[in-house]
Amino acid sequence: DTGVSQDPRHKITKRGQNVTFRCDPISEHNRLYWYRQTLGQGPEFLTYFQNEAQLEKSRLLSDRFSAERPKGSFSTLEIQRTEQGDSAMYLCASSFKAGESGNTIYFGEGSWLTVV
Amino acid sequence: QQQVKQSPQSLIVQKGGIPIINCAYENTAFDYFPWYQQFPGKGPALLIAIRPDVSEKKEGRFTISFNKSAKQFSLHIMDSQPGDSATYFCAASTTNTGKLIFGQGTTLQVKP
Repeated sequence: DTGVSQDPRHKITKRGQNVTFRCDPISEHNRLYWYRQTLGQGPEFLTYFQNEAQLEKSRLLSDRFSAERPKGSFSTLEIQRTEQGDSAMYLCASSFKAGESGNTIYFGEGSWLTVV
Repeated sequence: QQQVKQSPQSLIVQKGGIPIINCAYENTAFDYFPWYQQFPGKGPALLIAIRPDVSEKKEGRFTISFNKSAKQFSLHIMDSQPGDSATYFCAASTTNTGKLIFGQGTTLQVKP
């Protein structure tokens, strides 16, 4: 069990550029979540997958954001035409399907995005 | 109805003290209440969690007290240590989605 892995850990980008973050969940976890956290705030839910199906998207996830989980393994979160307000830590988390081995959700270390 | 309200925003205690962090929720469909600990630059790490069918749960120095009728739950840290200095988040979710709704966080400082 290597934990939830996120890459890159830090990204500085110019406004208007596209960025992509990758998340590798704990193996055998069929649920994968994306959250966003800004300084001094709790994580905010963005979206989640069960296997390869994206089951819910937050209203926070504007049209510039897209997430995928091909083949139900790793996931990517892409932000197009970045804005300064996108600067945050993007957290990935994974778990078994609720009801199987409990609801324990494990978080990765996060990917910090700074838009300049 | 989806909110989880957490207080206090910050807390300072002496080593050995018992900090208490409180959370309140509105959505009665929530059935899982975890607490996460987060150090600067790191992701949140699960500390302890409770379901509404019990009123208290202890794991080591950490205790959750749960009051279903008041829709409130709290974290107590016994014999607090400087290494416990971190930000603590309560959260709530439903078993169906597992989607966590987090409180605003409490920054704890334990002085030696």
